[in-house]
Amino acid sequence: EVQLVQSGAEVKKPGESLKISCYGSGYSFGTYWIGWVRQMPGKGLEWMGIIHPGDSDTRYSPSFQGQVIFSADKSITTAYLQWSSLKASDTAMYYCARLLGYCTSTSCPLDFDSWGQGTLVTVSS
Amino acid sequence: QSVLTQPPSVSAAPGQKVTISCSGSNSNIGNHYVSWYQQLPGTAPKFLIYENNKRPSGIPDRFSGSKSGTSATLGITGLQTGDEADYYCGTWDSSLSVVVFGGGTKLTVL
Repeated sequence: EVQLVQSGAEVKKPGESLKISCYGSGYSFGTYWIGWVRQMPGKGLEWMGIIHPGDSDTRYSPSFQGQVIFSADKSITTAYLQWSSLKASDTAMYYCARLLGYCTSTSCPLDFDSWGQGTLVTVSS
Repeated sequence: QSVLTQPPSVSAAPGQKVTISCSGSNSNIGNHYVSWYQQLPGTAPKFLIYENNKRPSGIPDRFSGSKSGTSATLGITGLQTGDEADYYCGTWDSSLSVVVFGGGTKLTVL
């Protein structure tokens, strides 16, 4: 069974750094792209970007470029999302998801067939 | 303001049929496959429809998808109270170079 298990909820202060994780099991982790999706409180879904754990090919949404960093360690089948300096506006639920399909040089499909349970990040002074 | 436009809410009685629209442009829906997701309260989104009209394994045929031009539609027949959720459409946007989602539609089964 394909499973993505994310790290637990975090409460941080503005300016602090954070790295959350997404552990994959039940499939060949290095073969499938892993995407990240943000959902701010009471709001809709936002695509942050995507990473291929096999070769660390990474695509960022322009809205998140320079604000976050994606990484992955295929030896422990885990993907990461990190911030160097959190802001209150980063308060949200963050989901990782496995892509069914692949990104080309010019586009990525929106076919996330398995999702993590989400990690709630709260940034407050 | 989302790039893809969905109605904020729809409602119907149990057993009835409902459709949810998703309107875009040539840079997104017009030239790329559309996917749909169901998000039950307090849970992660669930993969519902991909490549406009395909259902992943385990998704009942009560759920269907279609696309025409720059619009897509999700149909749900035989509504059940368990279908009450937020539904999102999404696709790639080649002008923005990003995946875009609709704002979401809240389905109420009366």
